[in-house]
Amino acid sequence: DTEVTQTPKHLVMGMTNKKSLKCEQHMGHRAMYWYKQKAKKPPELMFVYSYEKLSINESVPSRFSPECPNSSLLNLHLHALQPEDSALYLCASSERTGVSEAFFGQGTRLTVV
Amino acid sequence: AQSVTQLGSHVSVSEGALVLLRCNYSSSVPPYLFWYVQYPNQGLQLLLKYTTGATLVKGINGFEAEFKKSETSFHLTKPSAHMSDAAEYFCAVSDSGGYQKVTFGTGTKLQVIP
Repeated sequence: DTEVTQTPKHLVMGMTNKKSLKCEQHMGHRAMYWYKQKAKKPPELMFVYSYEKLSINESVPSRFSPECPNSSLLNLHLHALQPEDSALYLCASSERTGVSEAFFGQGTRLTVV
Repeated sequence: AQSVTQLGSHVSVSEGALVLLRCNYSSSVPPYLFWYVQYPNQGLQLLLKYTTGATLVKGINGFEAEFKKSETSFHLTKPSAHMSDAAEYFCAVSDSGGYQKVTFGTGTKLQVIP
């Protein structure tokens, strides 16, 4: 199983809503990532978890709150987002950070209205 | 600090022609290098990677890349383009020291003309 599963695939939310994105992998990987990708742009790293601990926060606004409840699961909690936060949110995992390749999920297409 | 430059945001080739996508990197330590492909509304899929050892790396779908330290390049090639190769391609670099954060290039959109 080399899959990273992200749910939901599409999400529309209002600026006052609270929602969560979910990411799951069963490859035994100990590094998990959240990326944000705007149209026609490369993925931008948001957060990195290594062994379930937050290792990197790329100065992401607090309206994005990551959570890693266990080694297989990664959540991204969303609250009070802005329209400019609309993007494709990608989750990825790797055996460990950096040197090993990352496996990406299909992404969640988020629209903030 | 590390960075990646992909020359050409759009590349068009005829079906059956050589594919060449250019990537130059900057890294203060020996780099790890990756090529990913992204189809519309999909996640990224690893094509190939270079860490250490042989400088010519073969990947999936007939792609290969050569690490040239003297030129700080890691260009992606495929001898004969297929229609199914049309996608966005990202070069990425990770340094081999420190935290090993991956940095992506800006991407090259490959168009294959029948």
